[in-house]
Amino acid sequence: RKEVEQDPGPFNVPEGATVAFNCTYSNSASQSFFWYRQDCRKEPKLLMSVYSSGNEDGRFTAQLNRASQYISLLIRDSKLSDSATYLCVVLNSGYSTLTFGKGTMLLVSP
Amino acid sequence: DTGVSQDPRHKITKRGQNVTFRCDPISEHNRLYWYRQTLGQGPEFLTYFQNEAQLEKSRLLSDRFSAERPKGSFSTLEIQRTEQGDSAMYLCASSFYRGPDFNEQFFGPGTRLTVL
Repeated sequence: RKEVEQDPGPFNVPEGATVAFNCTYSNSASQSFFWYRQDCRKEPKLLMSVYSSGNEDGRFTAQLNRASQYISLLIRDSKLSDSATYLCVVLNSGYSTLTFGKGTMLLVSP
Repeated sequence: DTGVSQDPRHKITKRGQNVTFRCDPISEHNRLYWYRQTLGQGPEFLTYFQNEAQLEKSRLLSDRFSAERPKGSFSTLEIQRTEQGDSAMYLCASSFYRGPDFNEQFFGPGTRLTVL
């Protein structure tokens, strides 16, 4: 089983749609989780951290289910500029290195 | 621009040649990381430094790969006797480590290596 698994997509949605991505991780001892965004041929950038209680940042909501070892990202009212690859990321024990999923590609169309 | 910078941005080389990449982290960031990313995959951890000390190396880092951060500032990643399988984007990231909680890693634009 891969350490971090994501559906690669692509998810094709119209502007204004709500879209959700899920991610599963294998190491039950993992403590910290994140979503990074990567635009085509660009570097990854931190989108948001994922907390046990769930957290929201504008149109983006992240949730963590430790029992099932999955993380989700919900994007409401999709914009064209949301088109990118969303990487699910786990901080390894020792709090030093990151393990990335393959990413889920989102394409928002007019 | 005070972000992470990498040089060169693109490198094309023939199989068997040696290549060296440079990364300049954000000023005063004490941790520097190297990742490799191939098409359709997420970045994979290679190695990281805290100041000049190399603290961890992935098993992905074969004997042909060596990284240095001699003065705790910029870092170099050298690949000897390149193989076609080394073709990838090599990403550098830096962070300011304050303690055991997450310290955001900021990524550079990457060096895209093509081995012919």
